[in-house]
Amino acid sequence: AQSVTQPDIHITVSEGASLELRCNYSYGATPYLFWYVQSPGQGLQLLLKYFSGDTLVQGIKGFEAEFKRSQSSFNLRKPSVHWSDAAEYFCAVDINAGNNRKLIWGLGTSLAVNP
Amino acid sequence: DTAVSQTPKYLVTQMGNDKSIKCEQNLGHDTMYWYKQDSKKFLKIMFSYNNKELIINETVPNRFSPKSPDKAHLNLHINSLELGDSAVYFCASSSQGTGNTIYFGEGSWLTVV
Repeated sequence: AQSVTQPDIHITVSEGASLELRCNYSYGATPYLFWYVQSPGQGLQLLLKYFSGDTLVQGIKGFEAEFKRSQSSFNLRKPSVHWSDAAEYFCAVDINAGNNRKLIWGLGTSLAVNP
Repeated sequence: DTAVSQTPKYLVTQMGNDKSIKCEQNLGHDTMYWYKQDSKKFLKIMFSYNNKELIINETVPNRFSPKSPDKAHLNLHINSLELGDSAVYFCASSSQGTGNTIYFGEGSWLTVV
């Protein structure tokens, strides 16, 4: 069955430090890949996405992610974390095309930022 | 203007009541969704509609009934609310013209007491 794994439930980093959030998926083909962020009490905001082409994708707020087919991974990175980045981060995989689309979600990684 | 808007944002109600959550998108998308996020932050799709037609109907109790009067609106009606229905419900929309990206509303926090 298709699945998305975010191995780190909770991560704490210091402000200004670099960040990498891991995401692995299980799917036979190359899916569409997404990272969303959810700030406390807020909805889900799209950070970035990968459909095809360049495997390093740039997103909003200084985030980037790299698709590695051999590792079935789509890790999210940021070179210097800001306190406002504290939030819940979700990796998602779209396994269907056309109108019958369905996102499979990871369980999220909660990011805390120390001043 | 909010792209995907849902009301109410917060709802506290008693067990056994019937309630509705409304959703509207002004993005011109043809597909809309309802997702449920439980207390452990797990997100799961409930329904999706394409041009008012039900496309995805996951294993959801039939107390939950979506209604799409037009492709810009997808409402969720819940009958006989139970404690376990307490969650955050997200409306979302997408279109193949947007590169299949799904855009979410800000969520509706439902608490059943």
